[in-house]
Amino acid sequence: KNQVEQSPQSLIILEGKNCTLQCNYTVSPFSNLRWYKQDTGRGPVSLTIMTFSENTKSNGRYTATLDADTKQSSLHITASQLSDSASYICVVSDRGSTLGRLYFGRGTQLTVWP
Amino acid sequence: EADIYQTPRYLVIGTGKKITLECSQTMGHDKMYWYQQDPGMELHLIHYSYGVNSTEKGDLSSESTVSRIRTEHFPLTLESARPSHTSQYLCASSESLTSGTNTGELFFGEGSRLTVL
Repeated sequence: KNQVEQSPQSLIILEGKNCTLQCNYTVSPFSNLRWYKQDTGRGPVSLTIMTFSENTKSNGRYTATLDADTKQSSLHITASQLSDSASYICVVSDRGSTLGRLYFGRGTQLTVWP
Repeated sequence: EADIYQTPRYLVIGTGKKITLECSQTMGHDKMYWYQQDPGMELHLIHYSYGVNSTEKGDLSSESTVSRIRTEHFPLTLESARPSHTSQYLCASSESLTSGTNTGELFFGEGSRLTVL
């Protein structure tokens, strides 16, 4: 069964600290992996998209890694800010069709305290 | 910034009412989607469209219906709302994966939060 599991479910850190969020998946055949940021009451916004051949990608203070062999990805946030408080969603796409079906994780709820 | 808009953002209605959630995008994307999201849960695909006059049901069974008469417009309708329909509804769009270098990035609207009393 194709699944996307994220950990931890929730995380609280102090402003200025770094953190790492995890995503494990069983989706096959793999096409790409995406990380989205979703502020409370808003729609998700794309942070990174990585294909099979990419093992790291950065977007400002966000750095995503991908290990396609172990089917694991991480999202590292550097020097966290209060505005980083949000849900971070891992999404994996398969290559089963030209559309590419998307499998969503439940997200990690990050809270950054001052 | 994504040019995809949803209205209303918030809606509280009584049981049995008919409602339509509007979704419009100005990016010329062929593919559009409706997702349902409950707190702490993953997004579930309820409808999608590959283009004008094309609509398909998604993975999650839904009593709602959709239409795609114009490329930019993808409304979702509930003929008779019930409390079980209370949820966040997210509209999204993407370019076709077959169009060369794009990766089919998904652009989401801000969502419509529906509460049925």
